[in-house]
Amino acid sequence: GENVEQHPSTLSVQEGDSAVIKCTYSDSASNYFPWYKQELGKRPQLIIDIRSNVGEKKDQRIAVTLNKTAKHFSLHITETQPEDSAVYFCAAADLNFGNEKLTFGTGTRLTIIP
Amino acid sequence: GAVVSQHPSWVICKSGTSVKIECRSLDFQATTMFWYRQFPKQSLMLMATSNEGSKATYEQGVEKDKFLINHASLTLSTLTVTSAHPEDSSFYICSARDQGGVRTGLSGELFFGEGSRLTVL
Repeated sequence: GENVEQHPSTLSVQEGDSAVIKCTYSDSASNYFPWYKQELGKRPQLIIDIRSNVGEKKDQRIAVTLNKTAKHFSLHITETQPEDSAVYFCAAADLNFGNEKLTFGTGTRLTIIP
Repeated sequence: GAVVSQHPSWVICKSGTSVKIECRSLDFQATTMFWYRQFPKQSLMLMATSNEGSKATYEQGVEKDKFLINHASLTLSTLTVTSAHPEDSSFYICSARDQGGVRTGLSGELFFGEGSRLTVL
């Protein structure tokens, strides 16, 4: 089955600086890579996702890059703000044949220092 | 508002009792729902895939007789933790995808419920 590794486990960034979180996956059949933000005691919220037919996607201060050959994808947050502090999870899935089972990374606790 | 709703949000029970958690898709039909478990400061681990009208598919290591899943309608899946023990204390989260495209959100987003925090004394 799929195995997703995520680094770093914790990340502290000065407000206004950029944050980068990296994930690798093992199953070459995976074609969908979402990123979730989870605040303490709350549900995960999808912040951005990318499919394997594109290499990069951007939404305002958030961007995701995908390298299918190396089987890794990264989350980039620019101009970080205190409200970006949370735990971030990457995930991978093979959406073919209606298989929507997500395998999550281990999470990164991001702290934005004011 | 929320598109996937879970109930209850919090539950405390005595060891040996059973607890039922409900997961509802509010404005779309979900033939498939997923149940995850999250221990403190850890990731979400898939427990099982709930299929409407058929048996759930359990992940390796998850006891199907302990974690009973019923998906009797297109908008409701239930997870029953039977004979709960303190080690079952966790955050249980369900998710579902709007396969009909009514609320596709971001690229056919998988919507999560609010989660249910179970504490077994």
